[in-house]
Amino acid sequence: DAKTTQPTSMDCAEGRAANLPCNHSTISGNEYVYWYRQIHSQGPQYIIHGLKNNETNEMASLIITEDRKSSTLILPHATLRDTAVYYCIVRVNEAGGTSYGKLTFGQGTILTVHP
Amino acid sequence: DTEVTQTPKHLVMGMTNKKSLKCEQHMGHRAMYWYKQKAKKPPELMFVYSYEKLSINESVPSRFSPECPNSSLLNLHLHALQPEDSALYLCASSQVLGTQPQHFGDGTRLSIL
Repeated sequence: DAKTTQPTSMDCAEGRAANLPCNHSTISGNEYVYWYRQIHSQGPQYIIHGLKNNETNEMASLIITEDRKSSTLILPHATLRDTAVYYCIVRVNEAGGTSYGKLTFGQGTILTVHP
Repeated sequence: DTEVTQTPKHLVMGMTNKKSLKCEQHMGHRAMYWYKQKAKKPPELMFVYSYEKLSINESVPSRFSPECPNSSLLNLHLHALQPEDSALYLCASSQVLGTQPQHFGDGTRLSIL
């Protein structure tokens, strides 16, 4: 799986949009971008994933650049409960490869939402 | 509330004890996973089961023994653990292997004395 690079930490004011960047410059054509987050004392929670088109769900939006070398997770109106570690993960979704079925977490970004 | 239930939430055991961690899901998922997470580190994959058969073992020491007795249940049997095995053990499931997002439980926090 392609390696990802994320900032170690970010701050965001409550009610404002949180924009979390992720660099994945070595991504392959068959690799998807996934975002998970882990709130303190809980297991990781799936947020969103995409291949090349921008995606939106009830939790967040995912913007992937045209060359697919980077992406941004957007939390449109951050709340205190969004304080967590956010993981950007690139993974293959096709059977047969040695990494098939695996989810490899990097260090993630610690997002702190303050009042 | 998580749809993947792990018990117990906390476990303290000695190095000579035998204990088991339990994970249960009723979402009809056919892939289940064990992860280990040390303090302030990301989760690391240990084992993957697909349709009740072991699919991936990430070179985990034999003192950790996984078992998948049915499609809803996943166990992790522990024997002769070392202090460095103290960690949060997370279980996850997905509809099938590799295609759908994984749903995680909140983990069992294990301390080895």
